[in-house]
Amino acid sequence: EPEVTQTPSHQVTQMGQEVILRCVPISNHLYFYWYRQILGQKVEFLVSFYNNEISEKSEIFDDQFSVERPDGSNFTLKIRSTKLEDSAMYFCASSPLVRKNTEAFFGQGTRLTVV
Amino acid sequence: TQLLEQSPQFLSIQEGENLTVYCNSSSVFSSLQWYRQEPGEGPVLLVTVVTGGEVKKLKRLTFQFGDARKDSSLHITAAQPGDTGLYLCAGVGNNDMRFGAGTRLTVKP
Repeated sequence: EPEVTQTPSHQVTQMGQEVILRCVPISNHLYFYWYRQILGQKVEFLVSFYNNEISEKSEIFDDQFSVERPDGSNFTLKIRSTKLEDSAMYFCASSPLVRKNTEAFFGQGTRLTVV
Repeated sequence: TQLLEQSPQFLSIQEGENLTVYCNSSSVFSSLQWYRQEPGEGPVLLVTVVTGGEVKKLKRLTFQFGDARKDSSLHITAAQPGDTGLYLCAGVGNNDMRFGAGTRLTVKP
């Protein structure tokens, strides 16, 4: 069964360092998302991406964040200069398209720990 | 920003009891989805409701979309310990999908 895969499963980084979180969406999907979930808190929308550009982004997704689909299969989230408060689970999701009854498939997440 | 409020935040019940959790918003959504999330994993879709007033059943789970497409409920009949988890509603907009904070359900044997 097709699935969204995320790497690494856990990343520890020092404050101020750049991190790149990687996702391989399901191959025929067209719409991609990044979400984050701080431990014990809600799943927060970061950004949606379609047709090689950002469709929507939240107030969390500031200039420190960027997304890229460099090679037609990977979908990456970059945090330029990590802060302690960036520590969270980051989930990638993909869907065939944003339609009324389209399911978003989530990856297992990357746990980012900023020390 | 479309805000989804879920209630209750926490719910602990005994096996065999019935329960209802709610998802409310002041915004109208094109559809609303319910997900379940296990610890350390990503959310998994349970159901999508699209039409105002729609009711969908998934075994012991009954999902309803409000007539105005602003709110939804999830009713579980005869809850089992395997139903324990975090239940999330998500409103689908034009280009995004945003989650409520979730209801953490614990079903005790």
